[in-house]
Formats: sequence, C-alpha cells, structure tokens
Amino acid sequence: DAGITQSPRHKVTETGTPVTLRCHQTENHRYMYWYRQDPGHGLRLIHYSYGVKDTDKGEVSDGYSVSRSKTEDFLLTLESATSSQTSVYFCAISEQGRVNEQFFGPGTRLTVL
Amino acid sequence: AQSVTQLGSHVSVSEGALVLLRCNYSSSVPPYLFWYVQYPNQGLQLLLKYTTGATLVKGINGFEAEFKKSETSFHLTKPSAHMSDAAEYFCAVNIFGNEKLTFGTGTRLTIIP
Repeated sequence: DAGITQSPRHKVTETGTPVTLRCHQTENHRYMYWYRQDPGHGLRLIHYSYGVKDTDKGEVSDGYSVSRSKTEDFLLTLESATSSQTSVYFCAISEQGRVNEQFFGPGTRLTVL
Repeated sequence: AQSVTQLGSHVSVSEGALVLLRCNYSSSVPPYLFWYVQYPNQGLQLLLKYTTGATLVKGINGFEAEFKKSETSFHLTKPSAHMSDAAEYFCAVNIFGNEKLTFGTGTRLTIIP
C-alpha cells in the first residue's frame, strides 16, 4: 500500500471554528490532492498541489485553503467551518498527475455541528 | 471539459451472476479512463485503467472493462460475482494535459447470497 496517512481520522467541531486536516506521504510523489466525498456527488476535487508551494483550485474550493511547505505534507484548512462542510475528506497522491494512478489515503470524517 | 455519468446508483446481483456497472464519459479529446473501488470505511483503490492501445482492459479481482469510443462508454464487468465484491465503484476520466481526475457519482454494488 502507498504510504499515505491522514490525521485526524475523525473530528467533530462547531460551526465557525477553524479546522486543519493533514495528509502525509512517504512516497515522494509530486502531486497531492484533496477531495470531499458526499452521497450522490461522488468525489469532488477541492484543491491540488503539483509541487512544494505550488497549488491550484479544484471544483469546490470555496471555504477551503491549502498549503504545502514540504513534499510529504499537504494541509487542508477550513477557515471557518460550516455545516455544509460536513463530509469525508480524502487525500490522494500521484507520481505524474495525468495517466498515473492516484493513491488514496484512508479518509477523515469531519462533522460540523 | 470532461465528465462522467454512472447509470444506476445501486446495483444488486446474485452471487455467481454477471456484474455489469455502466459508465459513460464526455470528453472533447481522447480520454484516459479509470475504475476505482471503495470498500466500507476505506479509501479508493484502482481496479483498472485505460490509456491507449488495447480497448479491453483487465484489472484486479477478475474485473475488466472495454473502451468503446463510438458509444463513449467504459463499462465494468465481472463474469461471476463474489460476496467480497460488495463495495462502491467509481468511474473517472482524465484527459491529456489535465492533472485532475473527474469522478462519477458512484455505484453501490450489493451481492445477494
């Protein structure tokens, strides 16, 4: 299995609080992605990174920010959590980004009350 | 632009029966196509992918898919379902020059004993 960990695995928080989710990889892959998974929507891309300090928006980036200061870590921040951000969040990595397989982490279940 | 449509959010088949999960894509250029599987409380795992070449692609666990350009389809099949195949399946598309995968909404496969 690809070495991807996500922390925390579960989190319950209140509306308006900031939340940071961490994705850590040991594969030295260039590309990292954050998705959210919601029933009826499949996986939707929030942000992705194509290198250290290089990031770009996905289709559902509003309310989220990311940072990548090291190859191995990709952080997703909810500046002020809302109930609509209750979801399961997945990190993925890829060596080249295009035809190469994306490897997924175990996910973080976030509940915003 | 690229998009994926998975027909049927839930599919039930009897153990030993044929599994057929449908995926149609939309892409202005030749696509790369993927099928992922997600077991309960886990991340996604690649089943198979089509990039170029042979249009019938074999994957893990006895699954295969055929790329049909004329029908813009990439349906997933398995001749004989096992109980362990119960999971959610996602079709995804990517095009050359685009670092992002676009996922379908998923099909939950239930196996009836």
